[in-house]
Amino acid sequence: AQSVAQPEDQVNVAEGNPLTVKCTYSVSGNPYLFWYVQYPNRGLQFLLKYITGDNLVKGSYGFEAEFNKSQTSFHLKKPSALVSDSALYFCAVGSVEEYGGSQGNLIFGKGTKLSVKP
Amino acid sequence: KAGVTQTPRYLIKTRGQQVTLSCSPISGHRSVSWYQQTPGQGLQFLFEYFSETQRNKGNFPGRFSGRQFSNSRSEMNVSTLELGDSALYLCASSLGGGQFLPGANVLTFGAGSRLTVL
Repeated sequence: AQSVAQPEDQVNVAEGNPLTVKCTYSVSGNPYLFWYVQYPNRGLQFLLKYITGDNLVKGSYGFEAEFNKSQTSFHLKKPSALVSDSALYFCAVGSVEEYGGSQGNLIFGKGTKLSVKP
Repeated sequence: KAGVTQTPRYLIKTRGQQVTLSCSPISGHRSVSWYQQTPGQGLQFLFEYFSETQRNKGNFPGRFSGRQFSNSRSEMNVSTLELGDSALYLCASSLGGGQFLPGANVLTFGAGSRLTVL
């Protein structure tokens, strides 16, 4: 069965330090992967996506993620964290083979709360 | 351009009642998806509509239903409400399209409708 795992419920980072939010996935076929961020009382905002091509994907607000097919991972990274990055981060995966023509059916991880302290 | 608009933002119902939530997608977007977000289960896919047709459905009971109108606006309905239906209901729109482009169409989420069932 398809699934997404975000092994850490919370990640604590000091401002200015690099941050990593982990994500591993399991789908049959070729995956396409997303990271979204959610601020309190708001919907999810798109950060970046991987479909095909370069394994290193750059997204909004200085975030990037690396697709690793052998480890089935798609970790989110940022070289220097800001206090304003504190939010809930979701990894999501879809697969053409599993979901056919449905583009709106994504499997989301449980989310990782990122806390950046000054 | 205007984002995805969900109404109402907050509502309180009692067990056994029914509720209808509305979603207006971004202009030009033809696909609308609905998700339920709870602290315990995270985000779970409810259904997706494209051109007034349900394209995919998640694993929810028949009490959960939806529809899409010719202007792409969508509604979802939950009948015979249960305490466990308390959640944030998120709507997301995307361009959609007759030809599936894997992951190409990013989901844009609304702020959600927070339902409390007493």
